[in-house]
Amino acid sequence: DQQVKQNSPSLSVQEGRISILNCDYTNSMFDYFLWYKKYPAEGPTFLISISSIKDKNEDGRFTVFLNKSAKHLSLHIVPSQPGDSAVYFCAASPSGSARQLTFGSGTQLTVLP
Amino acid sequence: EAGVAQSPRYKIIEKRQSVAFWCNPISGHATLYWYQQILGQGPKLLIQFQNNGVVDDSQLPKDRFSAERLKGVDSTLKIQPAKLEDSAVYLCASSLDSTGSYEQYFGPGTRLTVT
Repeated sequence: DQQVKQNSPSLSVQEGRISILNCDYTNSMFDYFLWYKKYPAEGPTFLISISSIKDKNEDGRFTVFLNKSAKHLSLHIVPSQPGDSAVYFCAASPSGSARQLTFGSGTQLTVLP
Repeated sequence: EAGVAQSPRYKIIEKRQSVAFWCNPISGHATLYWYQQILGQGPKLLIQFQNNGVVDDSQLPKDRFSAERLKGVDSTLKIQPAKLEDSAVYLCASSLDSTGSYEQYFGPGTRLTVT
């Protein structure tokens, strides 16, 4: 039973355009969400996060939106750059947990020059 | 600040053999996690330590997997005997503690191939 789903295995975007990566979750106990970026042969690195008390968090070119009623979050990258090409993982943690993360299966983003 | 270190980076073994992975977390990080990432999937938590105690090992296949963090710093994950389905990347991550920040810092992983 996948509690965190990333339904798009891959996404291609032109350089300078917006990249939108989507993530859905089923567990209503999740109250903190993170996005990680992973390059080949490296471990995932933290990108941006959002608490369930917010619906938007912005950090430079990266913005995460949370729609709790739809159990959906998205990561927007504007403008997209070739160096953003990587696998992006959505992760979620339930309230009262020992900060354990449940990951989605990832989306491979390719930014074309 | 040095990141999470893992070794070896790659390992190829035959089924039924044993293998061990080593992890050194970021200095001062009390919480350590081991994840299994099968190709095409996201990382799946195997075990979480807080200092040298186990917080959660409910997802660890205890008939063949074991892990320890004896002095609350380095950790070792062992598989004995290995099966074909254990082929995956094994990731170690650390965080300051299990009650504060949600952010976990990952090592580069060990890619295990079981033939």
